[in-house]
Amino acid sequence: KQEVTQIPAALSVPEGENLVLNCSFTDSAIYNLQWFRQDPGKGLTSLLLIQSSQREQTSGRLNASLDKSSGRSTLYIAASQPGDSATYLCAVNVDRGSTLGRLYFGRGTQLTVWP
Amino acid sequence: GAGVSQSPSNKVTEKGKDVELRCDPISGHTALYWYRQSLGQGLEFLIYFQGNSAPDKSGLPSDRFSAERTGGSVSTLTIQRTQQEDSAVYLCASSLVGWITLPRRTDTQYFGPGTRLTVL
Repeated sequence: KQEVTQIPAALSVPEGENLVLNCSFTDSAIYNLQWFRQDPGKGLTSLLLIQSSQREQTSGRLNASLDKSSGRSTLYIAASQPGDSATYLCAVNVDRGSTLGRLYFGRGTQLTVWP
Repeated sequence: GAGVSQSPSNKVTEKGKDVELRCDPISGHTALYWYRQSLGQGLEFLIYFQGNSAPDKSGLPSDRFSAERTGGSVSTLTIQRTQQEDSAVYLCASSLVGWITLPRRTDTQYFGPGTRLTVL
């Protein structure tokens, strides 16, 4: 069974810092990997999706990299802002017929950016 | 455009009662997923719909849980004889295409705000 781990579990930084959030997964046979943010009491917002054939994706101040062979992904947040405060979740879509598109989630990294 | 919507946003029920949770996916999305997020647990998959059929319902935790989807749109998750361990946030997601379509690919899953279920 696919296990997804996120480190650190929580992170508190001052505004302006560049951040690195880590995600690792046990089964490298993934189809794609998604990063989400979750704000308190709200659903998930998709940030980036990386296909298994890709190495990275960028959106604004966010950059996600994927090393499928080592089972790792990293989310970089440049010049962090208080509005970035949220829980960041990593999820993988496993390339095995029996799982048919479900996402396996990590527990998330709770980020606090203070002014 | 409108995103995924879920109702109710909150539901408090007594142990043993049945509950129905509703999901309205993004218009035109063929794939629909249910997940739940329990306190202290990560998000776990429950069931996947492609159109009106459910090719993967292996995540449903017991036979008290069932789901259906009608008209390729709205989905209802039903929990019978609720137990306290069913308390969680139930999240619905939809995507334009799903795994079972050809050529096989998956798309971004868009999530609704969730239904917080509390079983007393």
